[in-house]
Amino acid sequence: GQSLEQPSEVTAVEGAIVQINCTYQTSGFYGLSWYQQHDGGAPTFLSYNALDGLEETGRFSSFLSRSDSYGYLLLQELQMKDSASYFCAVRDHGGATNKLIFGTGTLLAVQP
Amino acid sequence: DTEVTQTPKHLVMGMTNKKSLKCEQHMGHRAMYWYKQKAKKPPELMFVYSYEKLSINESVPSRFSPECPNSSLLNLHLHALQPEDSALYLCASSQAPAGPGTGELFFGEGSRLTVL
Repeated sequence: GQSLEQPSEVTAVEGAIVQINCTYQTSGFYGLSWYQQHDGGAPTFLSYNALDGLEETGRFSSFLSRSDSYGYLLLQELQMKDSASYFCAVRDHGGATNKLIFGTGTLLAVQP
Repeated sequence: DTEVTQTPKHLVMGMTNKKSLKCEQHMGHRAMYWYKQKAKKPPELMFVYSYEKLSINESVPSRFSPECPNSSLLNLHLHALQPEDSALYLCASSQAPAGPGTGELFFGEGSRLTVL
């Protein structure tokens, strides 16, 4: 089967740094993405790692270790607007079409 | 225009009704997706259309029937649904169904379906 595990909830204060982990077990793997979803909103793309290492995009960074089937999203200088659900997602191969399989999701609460 | 537009935003239907959800994108994307999302759960893939042809069906019950009339439109026809089908139905699109790049999905805001 396929599984992507994340912590269910994380709480942090404004200005802090938080790391959201993702461990995955999938039949195929092309890359690991991260999506943010505010309550009642659409998931929006944050980052993508196809190769091992760290990708930085502003306050957000994402890391991948393919040998460990592990990745994380690092959020720096937390702001109240960062309170949302965060999903890792594996880009799996479904024949001629890639499938995006989402992790269990982490609800991040940023407190003043 | 980087929008995926879904209608209706909310839908209430009985178990004997027939209704449709609609999705539209004008980004020239060639892959379109339907996901189902229950409260506090991740989106679950239902269908993928690649170049207007059904490419992936994740063993979805036949009471859900997708349709892709053209490269910009995606419909989900609903018939004889069950209360447990109540969920947020998300449409998404991506530039291509496979190949290099991030494979970024652009999601609509969803249609919140309640089955009575």
